[in-house]
Amino acid sequence: EVQLVESGGGLVQPGGSLRLSCAASGFTFNNYWMHWVRQTPGKGLVWVSRINGDGSDTSYADSGKGRFTISRDNAKNTVYLQMNSLRAEDTAVYYCARGPYWSPSDDWGQGTLVTVSS
Amino acid sequence: NFMLTQPHSVSESPGKTVNIFCTGSSGSIATNYVQWYQQRPGSAPTTVIYDDNQRPSGVPDRFSGSIDSSSNSASLTISGLKTEDEADYYCQSYDSSNLVVFGGGTKLTVL
Repeated sequence: EVQLVESGGGLVQPGGSLRLSCAASGFTFNNYWMHWVRQTPGKGLVWVSRINGDGSDTSYADSGKGRFTISRDNAKNTVYLQMNSLRAEDTAVYYCARGPYWSPSDDWGQGTLVTVSS
Repeated sequence: NFMLTQPHSVSESPGKTVNIFCTGSSGSIATNYVQWYQQRPGSAPTTVIYDDNQRPSGVPDRFSGSIDSSSNSASLTISGLKTEDEADYYCQSYDSSNLVVFGGGTKLTVL
């Protein structure tokens, strides 16, 4: 059974940093692209970033470019999202998801809430 | 920027059929795969259609997806509506830079 478990969310002040983790199990991790998608409470889904199986290819939405960094540790079956210079508008539930590069459509985690507030 | 537009809400009665449309802002929606996600309140999204018209295992065949090039739209059709189908539905594709794009979501009410 595929499992994706996010962690690392919490309350952070504007301008602060946070690193999210997503621990994966139940599949051959290094064979898959991984995505981060976020959702402001009560709003829609917004794609954030993706990384390929060996970590050599990454992409970002404009909202996170220059502030967010996606990475992975295939030995630990974990994908990360380092978020710096956080803003109030980054407040959201962050989901990690597995899928081809064009869609996070295979499996989703349950999400971790990030709140950016003073 | 490439955008996907969905109706904010639709409603239909149990047992009926509903279509949820997703219109691309530019280019041809038929060029890139379209996915559909279901999200019930308080839960993570799940995929109901991938690659335009493919159903993941476990998704009932009441769910189907199609592309209409003439209107540059994708549609999710749910037949034999059940109250459990009440949820938010999101379409998703990608732009000319292969960056993932979601539609704004459609709230389906089954009443």
